[in-house]
Amino acid sequence: EAQVTQNPRYLITVTGKKLTVTCSQNMNHEYMSWYRQDPGLGLRQIYYSMNVEVTDKGDVPEGYKVSRKEKRNFPLILESPSPNQTSLYFCASSLYPPRGDSYEQYFGPGTRLTVT
Amino acid sequence: GDSVTQMEGPVTLSEEAFLTINCTYTATGYPSLFWYVQYPGEGLQLLLKATKADDKGSNKGFEATYRKETTSFHLEKGSVQVSDSAVYFCALSNTGNQFYFGTGTSLTVIP
Repeated sequence: EAQVTQNPRYLITVTGKKLTVTCSQNMNHEYMSWYRQDPGLGLRQIYYSMNVEVTDKGDVPEGYKVSRKEKRNFPLILESPSPNQTSLYFCASSLYPPRGDSYEQYFGPGTRLTVT
Repeated sequence: GDSVTQMEGPVTLSEEAFLTINCTYTATGYPSLFWYVQYPGEGLQLLLKATKADDKGSNKGFEATYRKETTSFHLEKGSVQVSDSAVYFCALSNTGNQFYFGTGTSLTVIP
């Protein structure tokens, strides 16, 4: 089954304790992306990757890191989480980068992160 | 920069009522436009899309027409069902490498 998986689905942590949220897709997609969803703000793009070893900042990259060492995986790293990073996080992938084309994004089920 | 503006929610309708959710965009050139739907506890999934002016996207009884003259992509459905209760997001992609989403509109349909 074609899918995007994320782990963990729920995470409660404390300020400053490094964490990683994993994301994996089995569709051989080139483009992968991380979003955070907050009430009243919709989805905002954190980072995206156009292919292996190619990553770039989205609209809200501060406090986050990513890596793309393999095509299928795109982990999100919070080196020193803070309470303002409490949010619902989604990983997504599409066959190719948008560039004005209509490639559909496929979303993972989400990771709800709480930082106390 | 590029952006999407959606009507504020939440929206509550009775079953079989007509639905409109407004979406306008700001973008240079000719973006592609999308509506995504998020059911409770799930990730987003594509509902419909349109890639050029005057295109009409449709799926599951929902429709939206790409209007370049009014920079709009309003979502409509003639008769909503309880199962349509969800959050709806308007989105665009352009010649850059990013997607831009609206703030989402929550729809509740009551029997």
